[in-house]
Amino acid sequence: GENVEQHPSTLSVQEGDSAVIKCTYSDSASNYFPWYKQELGKRPQLIIDIRSNVGEKKDQRIAVTLNKTAKHFSLHITETQPEDSAVYFCAANSGYALNFGKGTSLLVTP
Amino acid sequence: NAGVTQNPKFQVLKTGQSMTLQCAQDMNHNSMYWYRQDPGMGLRLIYYSASEGTTDKGEVPNGYNVSRLNKREFSLRLESAAPSQTSVYFCASSEWGGAKNIQYFGAGTRLSVL
Repeated sequence: GENVEQHPSTLSVQEGDSAVIKCTYSDSASNYFPWYKQELGKRPQLIIDIRSNVGEKKDQRIAVTLNKTAKHFSLHITETQPEDSAVYFCAANSGYALNFGKGTSLLVTP
Repeated sequence: NAGVTQNPKFQVLKTGQSMTLQCAQDMNHNSMYWYRQDPGMGLRLIYYSASEGTTDKGEVPNGYNVSRLNKREFSLRLESAAPSQTSVYFCASSEWGGAKNIQYFGAGTRLSVL
């Protein structure tokens, strides 16, 4: 089955800096790659997604890049703010399901 | 719209007891999913239902059963709870699977098995 690897597991940055989280996947048939943010004690919520027909997508301070040849995709957060502190999960579809990475705990310090 | 609703929010069971976790969505979605979340393990798929009338095993189905009662409701049953099933359980739904798989999650059920 699909295997999604996510790095790093923890990331600490200063407010205003950029944060980058990277994921790799194994199923060459995967064509949908969402990113979820989970605040402490809350449900995961979609923040951005990308499909395999594009290489990059931006939404304000958040961007995702996809390299299908290398089977990796990344989340970029610019001008980080304390409210960006959360756990971030990448995922890739495999058939009908989504397979999630193990998550990155991002801490943004003032 | 309430989105995805899960009940109960918290539950404590003794080893060997059974229980059913309830999930309902009001977004007219076709696909529904059950995940468990353990520290450091991310979200692992237990079972999913691609459409009404179908269910399939995910990554960690042992010890669980599911029922897609109708298009809105998808329940998860633990027949004989074990301490290893202590976890946070999330239900999710999406319009379809595959490349249209934007999943919306419920608030979760925090289960402790003693």
